[in-house]
Amino acid sequence: EDQVTQSPEALRLQEGESSSLNCSYTVSGLRGLFWYRQDPGKGPEFLFTLYSAGEEKEKERLKATLTKKESFLHITAPKPEDSATYLCAVTSGTYKYIFGTGTRLKVLA
Amino acid sequence: DTGVSQDPRHKITKRGQNVTFRCDPISEHNRLYWYRQTLGQGPEFLTYFQNEAQLEKSRLLSDRFSAERPKGSFSTLEIQRTEQGDSAMYLCASSAGVGNEKLFFGSGTQLSVL
Repeated sequence: EDQVTQSPEALRLQEGESSSLNCSYTVSGLRGLFWYRQDPGKGPEFLFTLYSAGEEKEKERLKATLTKKESFLHITAPKPEDSATYLCAVTSGTYKYIFGTGTRLKVLA
Repeated sequence: DTGVSQDPRHKITKRGQNVTFRCDPISEHNRLYWYRQTLGQGPEFLTYFQNEAQLEKSRLLSDRFSAERPKGSFSTLEIQRTEQGDSAMYLCASSAGVGNEKLFFGSGTQLSVL
């Protein structure tokens, strides 16, 4: 069965302290890997889609990368407004999106 | 593009009551999804529609849950005989339905079963 595991569960960073979030996946034929940001009380907001190993996408302080077994979300010089839960999701043979449990990021000023 | 709209935002009900939630997807999006999310967890897949056809339903979904999308536009999710374990955020999402593209989520309906 398709499975997504995210680590760490929670992460506290000082403003400007770069780090990476991990998303490991087990799927039978990856069609797409997605990163979302979720603020408290709101629905997830799309960040990136990655389709094949070696692919990279960037947006402001965020950079997502993909290998055959995992994806990383790199956060460079984070700011307090980057505090949120970051979710990873995959699709395989169907159009069902399977989500991980997320990483709760807190950036301290 | 007015986004995905969900109603109500919050629902408090007593155990054993029936509840119904509504989702209005982005217009012309032909795929519509329902997810459930509890505190500290990621969204859990419930079901999805391609136009008016319900193509997949989670094995975890009990017979008390039913979803419809009668004309391929808005959708409703009904929970019968609610239980305290049904308390969660119910999220709706839609996509244009071309390949494996991103989902657009609504703000969710927070259900509390007393």
